[in-house]
Parts: sequence; structure tokens; C-alpha cells
Amino acid sequence: DVKVTQSSRYLVKRTGEKVFLECVQDMDHENMFWYRQDPGLGLRLIYFSYDVKMKEKGDIPEGYSVSREKKERFSLILESASTNQTSMYLCASSSVRGSYGANVLTFGAGSRLTVL
Amino acid sequence: LAKTTQPISMDSYEGQEVNITCSHNNIATNDYITWYQQFPSQGPRFIIQGYKTKVTNEVASLFIPADRKSSTLSLPRVSLSDTAVYYCLVGDSNFGNEKLTFGTGTRLTIIP
Repeated sequence: DVKVTQSSRYLVKRTGEKVFLECVQDMDHENMFWYRQDPGLGLRLIYFSYDVKMKEKGDIPEGYSVSREKKERFSLILESASTNQTSMYLCASSSVRGSYGANVLTFGAGSRLTVL
Repeated sequence: LAKTTQPISMDSYEGQEVNITCSHNNIATNDYITWYQQFPSQGPRFIIQGYKTKVTNEVASLFIPADRKSSTLSLPRVSLSDTAVYYCLVGDSNFGNEKLTFGTGTRLTIIP
């Protein structure tokens, strides 16, 4: 079964800490995405990657960076966490080779981050 | 990329058919329309995808008019377990390097 695994389900961090959110997919997908979800705002795209070592900014990249050193792993980094980054973070992957193509995303269960 | 607009919320009674419409006026020729369902504390999951006319699977139907500027997700005989947020997404399925942006979704509440 297709799977996207996010390393931490719940995290609590302090303002100014560096935070790593890890995402691993086992489907050999080319594309990987990081979204954040806040009440009333839906899903907002932070960064995405269509290949190893490639990254593209989404709609709200400020305060975040990403790393994709291997095809199956896409990391989201908060260099200096702030309280307004308290949110649910969702990782997803997709492939142009699937039956439905690139815009059918498989999501992880999410990582709920609280920054105090 | 085509921007999507959906109603913020809808209520329906159990057993009824529910139709959720999404507007995407600037859809491009190569764009497909994909719908997702999200339950609380979970990531969205794929429901259905279409390009034109009608698509049906075991969960839902998707109706797309000839001009493709809107689409309607139809859920037959809903139950309490269909209470969720539904998102439509428009994009090119053959183009991996694409910023896939979701709208705010439609919160569907099923009433017993």
C-alpha cells in the first residue's frame, strides 16, 4: 500500500529553536510537497520538489527551508521557530507516471507543531 | 494555475444526495480536476478525478460541463461518515513541476 510517513505526529518546541520535520515516501514518486493547514485557511503550499536536490517555493515559503537529498525523503526546516508557525504540517507526494498523473497527491497523517 | 472557488460549508441530511460545486474559470486545456476528502486530524485523500463530461467510481460522481469552468462532486446517499472537508484541485496531470495550490475547501456536515 502506498505510504507517506511523517516522522513526528506531535511536536512542542520553543521560540527560536531549529525544527526539522521529516517525510519519507515509499512509492518512488518524483514530486514531494509540504503544506501547512490552519483553521479557515485551508491547505497552503510551503515548498515542493520535483526531483532530488530540486526545490521550488510555494505560496508561503518565508521562514522555512527544505532539503531533498534522496528521492524518498523531503525535509522541512524551520530555522528559528516562531509562534506563528504553530500549525498542522502535511507532507504529500505524487508521480506523473501514475494512473491519474501528477496532481493526485498521497498525503501523510500530518505533524502538529506547537511553538511556545 | 486555475484558482478554485467553493462554498465554505454545506449541511445535508443522511440518505440525501449531496452536490458540491467548484468554480475554476481560468482552467487550462491540459488541466485535470481532482477532488479530495479530509477528515479531522488526517491528511486529505483522493476521491475522484476527471477531465470532461462525467466520471463515476464506487465513492462519487464528478460532472464537468463542456466549458469546464466548473465541476460538481456528487455524493449519493450520504451518511454521517461523509462529514468532512472536500477540496477541488485543478492542474496538469502530466506536468510534475507544478505548484499545486488548494482552495479553502467545503466543510460538509451530515445531519442525522
